[in-house]
Amino acid sequence: DIQMTQSPPSLSASLGDKVTITCQASQNINKYIAWYQQKPGKAPRQLIRYTSTLVSGTPSRFSGSGSGRDYSFSISNVESEDIASYYCLQYDNLPWTFGGGTKLELK
Amino acid sequence: EVQLVESGGGLVQPGRSLKLSCVASGFTFNNYWMTWIRQAPGKGLEWVASITNTGGSTYYPDSVKGRFTISRDNAKSTLYLQMNSLRSEDTATYYCTRDGNYWGQGVMVTVSS
Repeated sequence: DIQMTQSPPSLSASLGDKVTITCQASQNINKYIAWYQQKPGKAPRQLIRYTSTLVSGTPSRFSGSGSGRDYSFSISNVESEDIASYYCLQYDNLPWTFGGGTKLELK
Repeated sequence: EVQLVESGGGLVQPGRSLKLSCVASGFTFNNYWMTWIRQAPGKGLEWVASITNTGGSTYYPDSVKGRFTISRDNAKSTLYLQMNSLRSEDTATYYCTRDGNYWGQGVMVTVSS
């Protein structure tokens, strides 16, 4: 199984900051990584797929990049509505595996 | 509009069974693989099962293999998850998803005596 190591587990940011979350796969995942936002009591919402493709409706302040084993996800100009948990998912191979999550809080 | 609506959750004793359903609408159901994903309270996300668009192949992680069965009825646009020999560690919110993009609202399963 492919392991996804996501960091940091938590992040504190001020409104307007840029934040970055990383995921490292245990092997090459050929850019098959998606990023999700989850708010308490809600289903995850896919923001980005295939490393950097924004899903319809995702604001342009969200972005993703990477290749091989190393990937990152950024939010520029953090807004209050971005306070949530974020997860990466590799879907290159079954079993799909998720990163452990990053909880974004307001400083 | 794509919609996925899960049902069938609840409180069940360890060792017992439960069957979840997910009714799909807004897309051609038999064109898509479907997947169940779960999330234990306060924990991360875990892939549980996937099924091909025809239902001809199914896939499971070791944690549920031999206990859970994913199936589908394309005529009814419905996905199922039969869960047998339930354990306390199966306690979670279960989501059905298409492509990992569209998700249902989730259904809670609690395994406890």
